[in-house]
Amino acid sequence: EAQVTQNPRYLITVTGKKLTVTCSQNMNHEYMSWYRQDPGLGLRQIYYSMNVEVTDKGDVPEGYKVSRKEKRNFPLILESPSPNQTSLYFCASSPQGTNYGYTFGSGTRLTVV
Amino acid sequence: GEDVEQSLFLSVREGDSSVINCTYTDSSSTYLYWYKQEPGAGLQLLTYIFSNMDMKQDQRLTVLLNKKDKHLSLRIADTQTGDSAIYFCLSNQFYFGTGTSLTVIP
Repeated sequence: EAQVTQNPRYLITVTGKKLTVTCSQNMNHEYMSWYRQDPGLGLRQIYYSMNVEVTDKGDVPEGYKVSRKEKRNFPLILESPSPNQTSLYFCASSPQGTNYGYTFGSGTRLTVV
Repeated sequence: GEDVEQSLFLSVREGDSSVINCTYTDSSSTYLYWYKQEPGAGLQLLTYIFSNMDMKQDQRLTVLLNKKDKHLSLRIADTQTGDSAIYFCLSNQFYFGTGTSLTVIP
């Protein structure tokens, strides 16, 4: 089944403890992206990647890192999480850039205490 | 960056039509999308429209595009309780609207 898989689905962590949210897609998509969703703010793009080894900042990149060493994986790294990064995170992928629509993962609900 | 705006809430009675509106600022948008997010789930692509079209119909869904006013709307005919969700418009793949929470009253 074609899908975007995120792990974990839920995570509670403490301030400053490094964490990684994994994202993997099995559709051979070139484009991948991370969003965070907050009430009243919709989805805001954190980072995106047009292809392997190519990553760019979205609208809210502060406090996050990403890597794209392989086409299928696009992990989101929080080196030192803070409470304002408590949010619902979505990974998405799309073929050949920006005109084909996204396939989304199921989301990761992160709470930083 | 681009601004994509939607009203936050909409309530309709079951069987009525729902109209969800979206305005955007980027006139170079070539594709415009509607996504649906059910509670506790990710976003699902509902429908899309090319910028050279004015209207697209897909069963109960009708998308209207007014390029001059940069206005996009999604009409859901015969709205059902299963249509209760948050609906997002997306312009040029990077910018989502804030989402409209649709509540269908039985």
